[in-house]
Amino acid sequence: SQKIEQNSEALNIQEGKTATLTCNYTNYSPAYLQWYRQDPGRGPVFLLLIRENEKEKRKERLKVTFDTTLKQSLFHITASQPADSATYLCALVSSGSARQLTFGSGTQLTVLP
Amino acid sequence: EAGVTQFPSHSVIEKGQTVTLRCDPISGHDNLYWYRRVMGKEIKFLLHFVKESKQDESGMPNNRFLAERTGGTYSTLKVQPAELEDSGVYFCASSQSRLASGANVLTFGAGSRLTVL
Repeated sequence: SQKIEQNSEALNIQEGKTATLTCNYTNYSPAYLQWYRQDPGRGPVFLLLIRENEKEKRKERLKVTFDTTLKQSLFHITASQPADSATYLCALVSSGSARQLTFGSGTQLTVLP
Repeated sequence: EAGVTQFPSHSVIEKGQTVTLRCDPISGHDNLYWYRRVMGKEIKFLLHFVKESKQDESGMPNNRFLAERTGGTYSTLKVQPAELEDSGVYFCASSQSRLASGANVLTFGAGSRLTVL
């Protein structure tokens, strides 16, 4: 069956360190993969998109990698800050006919001061 | 520009009652989506409108759920009659017409929390 798994429900790191979040998928052929941030009581907010033929994307302190052989995306936040604390969701769109976003369950990141 | 607006932010009803959730997308966004997150689960797709037409309603759980988008502007999602398992947060999202590459970035509302007692 199709599945999207994010490495852990919760991740705590010290301020200034690099946070690395993992998204693994099975039985998908993703056309592209997106990362969203969600704060309590709010809807998800789009951060980055990476296509199946791209290896890496960067935006300020954020970096996303995409390995279609390993069926995995990594999301990095460098020089993390307490304001980066949130739940991070990966979501993908298959290259098949059902082109809707499918979300993972999310990883709750806490950056400790 | 105004974002995606959802109303109500929280609704508490009893089993068997009816609830109508409303979503106002970003002006000019043809695509409107409904998603739902039930307790402890991931956000799941319910349906997709392109303007006033239902493009994909494969995620609608059963016929107690009815979504409309008259005139291609705001949308409503009605649950009738509500059951306990319908409790969760209902998110609406909108996007412009799909980018040439097929990528589609969604802007989400804050969600409507539904509690069925």
